[in-house]
Amino acid sequence: EIVLTQSPATLSLSPGERATLSCRASQSVDSHLAWYRQKPGQAPRLVIYDASNRATGISARFSGSGSGTDFTLTISSLEPEDFAFYYCHQRSTWPPSFGPGTKLELK
Amino acid sequence: EVQLVESGGGLVQPGGSLRLSCEASGFTFSAHSMNWVRQSPEKGLEWVAYISDDGIHIFYGVSVKGRFTISRDNAKNSLYLQMDSLRGEDTAVYYCVRDDGITPWFDPWGQGTLVTVSS
Repeated sequence: EIVLTQSPATLSLSPGERATLSCRASQSVDSHLAWYRQKPGQAPRLVIYDASNRATGISARFSGSGSGTDFTLTISSLEPEDFAFYYCHQRSTWPPSFGPGTKLELK
Repeated sequence: EVQLVESGGGLVQPGGSLRLSCEASGFTFSAHSMNWVRQSPEKGLEWVAYISDDGIHIFYGVSVKGRFTISRDNAKNSLYLQMDSLRGEDTAVYYCVRDDGITPWFDPWGQGTLVTVSS
């Protein structure tokens, strides 16, 4: 099973700042990586798929990059609704797996 | 609007059984493979089971294999998860999740149903 690690565990920032979240895979997943956002009390929602493609309805403030084992989710200018948990997810190798998450919190 | 609505969660004793249901609407259910994914504070997000669009191909996570059974009824636009021999570590919010896209990815997710295994 591919293990995904995320850093940092918690990121404290203010609205308007830039957020950079990282995800590392224990072996190559090519570009088969996605990012999900989960707000309190809600289900996860797809944000980025295939490492760099924005999902439907996701703001252009969100961008993804990387391939192989190292990936980054960048939020260019934080809005209040961006403060949430973010999880990376791989579908390259069975079984599908998730990272432990990064909590993006209001500073 | 694509919607997935789970039901059937609740409190059950260790060793007991529970059947979760997921009613789909707003899309052609029979054209998509489906999954159950669970989330707990201890284990985070964990994929549980997969079923192909036609119900022929089925896979399970190692922690539930032999105890859980995924099934679907395309005529009723419904997905099911029969959970037997439940353990405390099965306590989690269970999400019904659609496969979408070429890779594919989990999109969208239902609102989830809480399963608590405790005496």
